[in-house]
Amino acid sequence: DAGITQSPRHKVTETGTPVTLRCHQTENHRYMYWYRQDPGHGLRLIHYSYGVKDTDKGEVSDGYSVSRSKTEDFLLTLESATSSQTSVYFCAIALRADTEAFFGQGTRLTVV
Amino acid sequence: GESVGLHLPTLSVQEGDNSIINCAYSNSASDYFIWYKQESGKGPQFIIDIRSNMDKRQGQRVTVLLNKTVKHLSLQIAATQPGDSAVYFCAENMDAAGNKLTFGGGTRVLVKP
Repeated sequence: DAGITQSPRHKVTETGTPVTLRCHQTENHRYMYWYRQDPGHGLRLIHYSYGVKDTDKGEVSDGYSVSRSKTEDFLLTLESATSSQTSVYFCAIALRADTEAFFGQGTRLTVV
Repeated sequence: GESVGLHLPTLSVQEGDNSIINCAYSNSASDYFIWYKQESGKGPQFIIDIRSNMDKRQGQRVTVLLNKTVKHLSLQIAATQPGDSAVYFCAENMDAAGNKLTFGGGTRVLVKP
């Protein structure tokens, strides 16, 4: 999967707890993305990064924050998880903005 | 498997026939488009891409057509096979800086033997 590792692959957490998902790449790609996927909504962009410490919001960023302190890692944090954040989360990487993005295998998060 | 396709439009195709999947994109300034295939329980997989200075691009058994006038993208799959059964998404690079890759809603393709 193009040198992308998401961790954990599955997680169950309680409402109100903080959660951090990690995306690690070995491709030295500049761009990294976090998406969530829910039935009937396809893939929706949460946040993305276009370089170390350069991040921006996507269409569904409320309740999420990200950090990218080094090229290979892009962290997604839910400060206080809610049931509406139960979803499958995908990380993607791209060499440039105008090249294809490669996706990880996804993280299934359940907030109870 | 993943229930991502619960409410998606579905295209049923006979094995061996050609498939055409359509996508309307939203931003006339978008200059790069990608088609992805997603099988149950997996992440999206790149199929083919096209830039806005082209109106057609061909790959192995797949062709993408771009009509900028009506902001329409299509994916044609020739001689559809059972392994083509999946959900297909189009994506566009739609912000002013070209950084933001945004996806359409997806179409489920079911190949009948």
